[in-house]
Amino acid sequence: ELKVEQNPLFLSMQEGKNYTIYCNYSTTSDRLYWYRQDPGKSLESLFVLLSNGAVKQEGRLMASLDTKARLSTLHITAAVHDLSATYFCAVDRNQRNTDKLIFGTGTRLQVFP
Amino acid sequence: DVKVTQSSRYLVKRTGEKVFLECVQDMDHENMFWYRQDPGLGLRLIYFSYDVKMKEKGDIPEGYSVSREKKERFSLILESASTNQTSMYLCASSLVFGIGSPDTQYFGPGTRLTVL
Repeated sequence: ELKVEQNPLFLSMQEGKNYTIYCNYSTTSDRLYWYRQDPGKSLESLFVLLSNGAVKQEGRLMASLDTKARLSTLHITAAVHDLSATYFCAVDRNQRNTDKLIFGTGTRLQVFP
Repeated sequence: DVKVTQSSRYLVKRTGEKVFLECVQDMDHENMFWYRQDPGLGLRLIYFSYDVKMKEKGDIPEGYSVSREKKERFSLILESASTNQTSMYLCASSLVFGIGSPDTQYFGPGTRLTVL
């Protein structure tokens, strides 16, 4: 059974600092997604990672995938308040011709001055 | 831009009522999904549809049913609402899965349902 674990669950960090969110999953998967959710809002897609060693960057966020270790990281560089949100990783279940995902429990990020 | 809309942002119902949650997408996506989101549990898949009139159970289908009569519309039905179904319900859609089509899921704004 595919399980997805994120850590930390809650992260409070100062503006200008760097930090990494980790996403571990338990069985083989071909695709991993990162989403962002602002309070009271829906989920917004950030990154889609398709292969081992894939790295994607958007602004102060960089996501990477190591399929052998079954690990993805979301690295935050020089955090700013606007990055405060909950971040979810999600892993494809590798079931025939569907894209059913398993989501992690989310990491709530709070950036303070 | 893909747009996924849900019929209500907030809904309050009484125990035992039949509840309909509607979701519409405007990008001709084949796949549609219903999730519920609860604190500390992330998103859990209730039902999935990969074509009109086609559906599959997700991880927590008990107490729910779905209907997809048209490609753009996917409805979630709570046959007899209970207090443990109080939650945030999110609808999503995506293109059909295939090589070269690693499309992400696009989410609606959510419906916060309270069952009293």
